Amino acid sequence: NAGVTQTPKFQVLKTGQSMTLQCAQDMNHEYMSWYRQDPGMGLRLIHYSVGAGITDQGEVPNGYNVSRSTTEDFPLRLLSAAPSQTSVYFCASSYSRAQETQYFGPGTRLLVL
Amino acid sequence: LAKTTQPISMDSYEGQEVNITCSHNNIATNDYITWYQQFPSQGPRFIIQGYKTKVTNEVASLFIPADRKSSTLSLPRVSLSDTAVYYCLVNTGKLIFGQGTTLQVKP
Repeated sequence: NAGVTQTPKFQVLKTGQSMTLQCAQDMNHEYMSWYRQDPGMGLRLIHYSVGAGITDQGEVPNGYNVSRSTTEDFPLRLLSAAPSQTSVYFCASSYSRAQETQYFGPGTRLLVL
Repeated sequence: LAKTTQPISMDSYEGQEVNITCSHNNIATNDYITWYQQFPSQGPRFIIQGYKTKVTNEVASLFIPADRKSSTLSLPRVSLSDTAVYYCLVNTGKLIFGQGTTLQVKP
């Protein structure tokens, strides 16, 4: 198993541009989530999904959209990038619930100029 | 959602036992207590999870008193490679991370 994969590893955007951060898992996990981590801070939950077709907001959802059309993929879309969205983004998955062991991806480092 | 409070940082020396305590006064009946470890430039990694009393695995032990309002992660005989940020989490529906405890292990 590849586990949780994220692409790209690093991205530079200009303010106002849009992009999609990709996340995929091959463990047949139902629960997937997106976090952002700013320097010296803990992770903050952006959006999560308990299964295909079901998504919900986390702590900091503004400026981000998600969809879950398949069990494997959970892309995160930035509609109009802002410098405040400069951060490291982590995707995670678990078998069925948030309380279970979460497997994290390697992260995507995003810089918005 | 149960809020957790843990020390911002701790120092230790190689070979010592390290205990990191987390407070979660508003823990709900169905909440589990979970600890994660994060190294720089990596995603968090699951360490241990428990509901009550004591849980032990090959990496750590987790002590939870009867009232479940706190928990203590115990790392036996730490090494330099245990230098990391440790997060205590309590949640039912979604996983919310606090600031964590930065553990610095010195030679």
